[in-house]
Amino acid sequence: AQKVTQAQTEISVVEKEDVTLDCVYETRDTTYYLFWYKQPPSGELVFLIRRNSFDEQNEISGRYSWNFQKSTSSFNFTITASQVVDSAVYFCALSKSNSGNTPLVFGKGTRLSVIA
Amino acid sequence: NAGVMQNPRHLVRRRGQEARLRCSPMKGHSHVYWYRQLPEEGLKFMVYLQKENIIDESGMPKERFSAEFPKEGPSILRIQQVVRGDSAAYFCASSHATSGTYEQYFGPGTRLTVT
Repeated sequence: AQKVTQAQTEISVVEKEDVTLDCVYETRDTTYYLFWYKQPPSGELVFLIRRNSFDEQNEISGRYSWNFQKSTSSFNFTITASQVVDSAVYFCALSKSNSGNTPLVFGKGTRLSVIA
Repeated sequence: NAGVMQNPRHLVRRRGQEARLRCSPMKGHSHVYWYRQLPEEGLKFMVYLQKENIIDESGMPKERFSAEFPKEGPSILRIQQVVRGDSAAYFCASSHATSGTYEQYFGPGTRLTVT
């Protein structure tokens, strides 16, 4: 069965610090998809990134970067020069099977607080 | 393009009443997923539907919960005889049918409070 573990329940950083959110997953599928979502205090879920299991290249988008390592089953998320607006709960998720249009398995989330 | 729409945003029901949650997917999306988020928890999958079909309901409680996605109109998640433990945020997500675009876009959620 698929499982996603986000060991960090809460992280607090001072503005402009870099912060890494950890995500470890378990799956028996050889093809799968990994996702990160952001849930700001307003409550909606914002899609950040999708990565398929065949693409281990790291990705950078502005201050956000993702490090996918299949060998350690990890898909970590780094925010560089954090800002107060980054304060949110961040969820890592895994597709339930090896087909794209399938339900997601979510981790419990990491609550990030960025202090001015 | 309008995003995924959910209504109502907030719903208060007394124990024993029925709750109906609606979800209109993004334009062109024919796959709908319902998830439940209990306080301080991650999202848990409930049911996956395509138009007029339930594809996967493995996360749905066996009793009191049902879902549909008719040919016309929104998807409905129905909870009969609500109990306090049903209080949660219910999120709907939609995705496109064709391969290569697997992102699930989420609605703003419906926060159900059972008193």
